[in-house]
Amino acid sequence: ELKVEQNPLFLSMQEGKNYTIYCNYSTTSDRLYWYRQDPGKSLESLFVLLSNGAVKQEGRLMASLDTKARLSTLHITAAVHDLSATYFCAVADWETSGSRLTFGEGTQLTVNP
Amino acid sequence: GAGVSQTPSNKVTEKGKYVELRCDPISGHTALYWYRQSLGQGPEFLIYFQGTGAADDSGLPNDRFFAVRPEGSVSTLKIQRTERGDSAVYLCASSLTGFRLAGEDTQYFGPGTRLTVL
Repeated sequence: ELKVEQNPLFLSMQEGKNYTIYCNYSTTSDRLYWYRQDPGKSLESLFVLLSNGAVKQEGRLMASLDTKARLSTLHITAAVHDLSATYFCAVADWETSGSRLTFGEGTQLTVNP
Repeated sequence: GAGVSQTPSNKVTEKGKYVELRCDPISGHTALYWYRQSLGQGPEFLIYFQGTGAADDSGLPNDRFFAVRPEGSVSTLKIQRTERGDSAVYLCASSLTGFRLAGEDTQYFGPGTRLTVL
């Protein structure tokens, strides 16, 4: 059974600081997704990482993928209040379960002024 | 363009009743997914359609849950004899193909239907 684990689950940080969210998964998947969810809202796609060593950046967020370590990171640079949300990573295990996504528990990020 | 839409946005029902939740995917997307999200958790997979057929229904919790997509576009998730444990947000997502070789094939999520079973 595919397992996806995120840490930390809760993160409170000050504006202007840097931090990293980690996503570990138990399969050899080569496709990893990051989503953002605001309270009471649906999921917004942030990044899709397709191969080992992939790195993508959008604004203050940068995501990377290491398929050998089965690890993805979401790095936050100089956090601002608008980044407060819950961030999910999700993995597709194409070999065993096709395109269905298995999600981590989410990291609830709060950026304080 | 229009995203994934879901109706109703909220549904309150009594234990034992039947409910239908509707999903209208992005136009042209052949793959459609249903997930369920409980409070404080990540979404959990229920069922995946490729066109009109259910390609993977292994996430449906029991035979009270059923979904259809008769014309390969709109999908309806049907729950019979609802139980309090069915209360959750039901999310629908669609992607262009659902195939591995299709590149990113991002799944785009709708706003969800919040189901409350009293």
